[in-house]
Amino acid sequence: DAGVIQSPRHEVTEMGQEVTLRCKPISGHDYLFWYRQTMMRGLELLIYFNNNVPIDDSGMPEDRFSAKMPNASFSTLKIQPSEPRDSAVYFCASSPGRTTQYFGPGTRLTVL
Amino acid sequence: ELKVEQNPLFLSMQEGKNYTIYCNYSTTSDRLYWYRQDPGKSLESLFVLLSNGAVKQEGRLMASLDTKARLSTLHITAAVHDLSATYFCAVDDRSYGKLTFGQGTILTVHP
Repeated sequence: DAGVIQSPRHEVTEMGQEVTLRCKPISGHDYLFWYRQTMMRGLELLIYFNNNVPIDDSGMPEDRFSAKMPNASFSTLKIQPSEPRDSAVYFCASSPGRTTQYFGPGTRLTVL
Repeated sequence: ELKVEQNPLFLSMQEGKNYTIYCNYSTTSDRLYWYRQDPGKSLESLFVLLSNGAVKQEGRLMASLDTKARLSTLHITAAVHDLSATYFCAVDDRSYGKLTFGQGTILTVHP
């Protein structure tokens, strides 16, 4: 199995631009999670989906952040407009139910 | 709100020595996970502990769970340099699948 796939792996953009991060979960996994990791705040859960439906988005920092899961094999996290404080590593993870979450390689986002 | 605290946050060890990382959490839970993260890399699952008294071992690492004390430990035996990494514990708050992570313990093993 290819594992969780994320793209791009690195993104550098300027403040005010739209950023879209993509995730393909492991086939058969019905849960998908988006996390953000920074030195200051550690690992934070932003949002998670079950069977493509958003279950808890209480971790999404502001309205500038949105996430979708149009089908079982694809999810996006969008930031519009981006700000320098959004710079972080964004991880996508998936799991087959209430069990171990498998993390993707992450997207390192830098907003100038 | 579930809180998860690890200690120590930084651990410098000599090769061959033993040490323990502690993970305390604030509310009832029956599932706890340990992950490893190498610098610049993703998180890799090490252990899942599913019940009180659960003990799992893999190589030089052993994890245990005491749900009554709300405490998990990750014990390192005869440390080697390859164990240098950041170790996270994560607790399932029973909100089906949602995990809360500790701050992480940065482990450095010296010759």
